[in-house]
Amino acid sequence: GAVVSQHPSWVICKSGTSVKIECRSLDFQATTMFWYRQFPKQSLMLMATSNEGSKATYEQGVEKDKFLINHASLTLSTLTVTSAHPEDSSFYICSARTRERGSNEKLFFGSGTQLSVL
Amino acid sequence: AQKITQTQPGMFVQEKEAVTLDCTYDTSDPSYGLFWYKQPSSGEMIFLIYQGSYDQQNATEGRYSLNFQKARKSANLVISASQLGDSAMYFCAMREGLESNYQLIWGAGTKLIIKP
Repeated sequence: GAVVSQHPSWVICKSGTSVKIECRSLDFQATTMFWYRQFPKQSLMLMATSNEGSKATYEQGVEKDKFLINHASLTLSTLTVTSAHPEDSSFYICSARTRERGSNEKLFFGSGTQLSVL
Repeated sequence: AQKITQTQPGMFVQEKEAVTLDCTYDTSDPSYGLFWYKQPSSGEMIFLIYQGSYDQQNATEGRYSLNFQKARKSANLVISASQLGDSAMYFCAMREGLESNYQLIWGAGTKLIIKP
């Protein structure tokens, strides 16, 4: 089945530094990728929708200058948390859309990145 | 108003018993899709089952089945013969529209714990 690779799975950084998270579709082309944020014991919150070759669409309340998204190719999207602060500590997870021939619609998720900002 | 409601924040179930996880949804769009995902403690999201609004039959995938009651706007997940490995968070989600940008609306999740 379709696989989405996300890394790093875990990162600790100092306040003020930037962190880049990669999301890669390994065996399919993902025209659309989604970035989510999840707080402990809560549901996923959509941060932004990323279409290949165009600017990401951010959800209300998500700072686009804070969370930079690049979707330069059909297999790779990156999320960069710029000048990270402790309140940015969270679990970030990406997903990629695929439409397999003759089957139902599916989203495949990366394994997530736990970001801890000290 | 909540578009996806999962009323059970947590459940304990004995191993080998069947489990029903509740999900109700709210939409005025005639075209929509309903999903169930499993999130183990590792954090990844695992797709379980999908039901389209126009599908005539309830979706089934192995031990998972979706009890789709359109008039009641409910899409309960049924896990037959539960196993210890089923312990996880379970999320119900909905996509509105046929060819939308595939954004999902998520429920709050249900934490399922299977007891040996």
